Amino acid sequence: DGGITQSPKYLFRKEGQNVTLSCEQNLNHDAMYWYRQDPGQGLRLIYYSQIVNDFQKGDIAEGYSVSREKKESFPLTVTSAQKNPTAFYLCASSIRTGGSGYTFGSGTRLTVV
Amino acid sequence: SQQGEEDPQALSIQEGENATMNCSYKTSINNLQWYRQNSGRGLVHLILIRSNEREKHSGRLRVTLDTSKKSSSLLITASRAADTASYFCATAFRDGTLTFGKGTMLLVSP
Repeated sequence: DGGITQSPKYLFRKEGQNVTLSCEQNLNHDAMYWYRQDPGQGLRLIYYSQIVNDFQKGDIAEGYSVSREKKESFPLTVTSAQKNPTAFYLCASSIRTGGSGYTFGSGTRLTVV
Repeated sequence: SQQGEEDPQALSIQEGENATMNCSYKTSINNLQWYRQNSGRGLVHLILIRSNEREKHSGRLRVTLDTSKKSSSLLITASRAADTASYFCATAFRDGTLTFGKGTMLLVSP
């Protein structure tokens, strides 16, 4: 089955720790994205990548970092610099940027304890 | 910044009725897309309408786009309880990224 897999589904982080969220796709999509979803605020773009070894900041990149070493993988690190990291994180991919729909993963719920 | 704004924020209807959700946006777009999200899950792509199209159908879904008014509507006909979800419009710009609205929560009661 082709799709996009996020792991873990739930993640708990202590204050001051960095955590990495995994996102893997086997759809052969060029573009990948990370969004953050907070209650009542919809989705906000954190980072996106149109091609391997290249990525761009979205609207709320501060406190986050990404890498794109392989086409299939786009991990997101939530660093200790992110002041309010508790949220639902969604990874998505698309054939290319623009002109096509996104395929989303099932999300990772991060809670700071 | 969020581009699209859905209206209403919440909608409650009976099975068999039609549901209409609206989306307004501020700047020129490449295309506009609608997504569904069941509680605690990822989003599912429903339909894409390009800026040069005015109407599109997919099964029980009908989407319209009025670029002069910068607005779109999603109509779900003959709603079912399984249609209960949040619905988001998303606008695509030249860089290809999508900007999402805050969504409309639809509740379809049996």
